[in-house]
Amino acid sequence: EIVLTQSPGTLSLSPGERATLSCRASQSIRSNYLAWYQQKPGQAPRPLIYGASRRATGIPDRFSGSGSGTDFTLTISRLEPEDFAVYYCQQYSSSPQISFGGGTKVEIK
Amino acid sequence: EVQLVESGGGLVQSGGSLRLSCAVSGFTVSANYVSWVRQAPGKGLEWVSLIYSDATTYDADSVKGRFTVSRDNSKNTVYLQMNSLTGEDTAVYYCARGPALYGDFDYWGQGTLVTVSS
Repeated sequence: EIVLTQSPGTLSLSPGERATLSCRASQSIRSNYLAWYQQKPGQAPRPLIYGASRRATGIPDRFSGSGSGTDFTLTISRLEPEDFAVYYCQQYSSSPQISFGGGTKVEIK
Repeated sequence: EVQLVESGGGLVQSGGSLRLSCAVSGFTVSANYVSWVRQAPGKGLEWVSLIYSDATTYDADSVKGRFTVSRDNSKNTVYLQMNSLTGEDTAVYYCARGPALYGDFDYWGQGTLVTVSS
């Protein structure tokens, strides 16, 4: 089983600042089958990034994903008020094995 | 427009059963993969079950032998039959399309709450 560890658990930032979220896998994720989601209270997860670096439809370009192998990063270049939320990474591998990270909460400082 | 609408959640006693439905529009369930993902109160996301386009199914170890995913192609609906429920199954259950081409879930329903009481 591939375990995803997200850090930090909570990120306290101000609007306009840059947010850098980390997702580390216990084993290499082949083909970069790594996705990121945003979730706000009472809402379903919203797809942000797939294939490690591809933005989902309608996602603004201040969101970017990078990384490969076991280390992945979600960057929000300049935080907007609507970006304060919880972010999850997720991986898929054959068998199938599907797992989510524990989440990073981005809160207003 | 793609829509997934879950229903069937509610309050059930420990040891009981419940069947969730996921009514899909905008894509054909028989030609896509559809999964169930759950979220316990205040916790993170957990993948539960998956049905492939060829109707092969897979379940997480935490629900294996208790939960069964199926579909009705004529109704374009996916189901999750949940048996032998315990308090640890209390969660919002989402259906989602995927894993998609890059292993992600590209469309999600709004979720349905299942509460298991002791």
